[in-house]
Amino acid sequence: GQQVMQIPQYQHVQEGEDFTTYCNSSTTLSNIQWYKQRPGGHPVFLIQLVKSGEVKKQKRLTFQFGEAKKNSSLHITATQTTDVGTYFCAGPRETSGSRLTFGEGTQLTVNP
Amino acid sequence: NAGVTQTPKFRVLKTGQSMTLLCAQDMNHEYMYWYRQDPGMGLRLIHYSVGEGTTAKGEVPDGYNVSRLKKQNFLLGLESAAPSQTSVYFCASRETGRDLGQFFGPGTRLTVL
Repeated sequence: GQQVMQIPQYQHVQEGEDFTTYCNSSTTLSNIQWYKQRPGGHPVFLIQLVKSGEVKKQKRLTFQFGEAKKNSSLHITATQTTDVGTYFCAGPRETSGSRLTFGEGTQLTVNP
Repeated sequence: NAGVTQTPKFRVLKTGQSMTLLCAQDMNHEYMYWYRQDPGMGLRLIHYSVGEGTTAKGEVPDGYNVSRLKKQNFLLGLESAAPSQTSVYFCASRETGRDLGQFFGPGTRLTVL
């Protein structure tokens, strides 16, 4: 079945360092979504990428969708303590676009 | 707008007891979802609904039932709770045809002893 994998599972950085998480799908995706979950909180939608090779920026966050539409990345420049949380990618299931398959997430901790 | 709300926030059950989790959204969304989140396992879909009166199974439906009698409400039932159902449960909703992703509720932390 369709799988969405994320690496790394955990990442510890010093405040000010950059951070990248990678998302890989076993199948071609029509789009990829990214969510952030703060500790003790709920997932919050960040962005959706649709086009092959698409790059979108939100302040210090840069999101990329691979040319083959099977992988994606989230890069944070100069991390801050407010970036702490778990970042999930998710793609629509092949058999039902109304459902998402979530990756297991990358848990980011930022040391001040 | 309250967005997506869930009740209760916390609950402790004994094995074999039953309970219902309520999810409500005031955004007039067609699609609603129930997920469970366990450490290291991300979000797994239990059941979902694409409109009032409809429900469908997700990845891990066993031991759960759902109902969507009203568009704004999506209920998740546990008929006979088991310790393996100890988890955090999230409800989410989504508008059709928009690139806005899913809106999640605050979650229900359930412990089954």
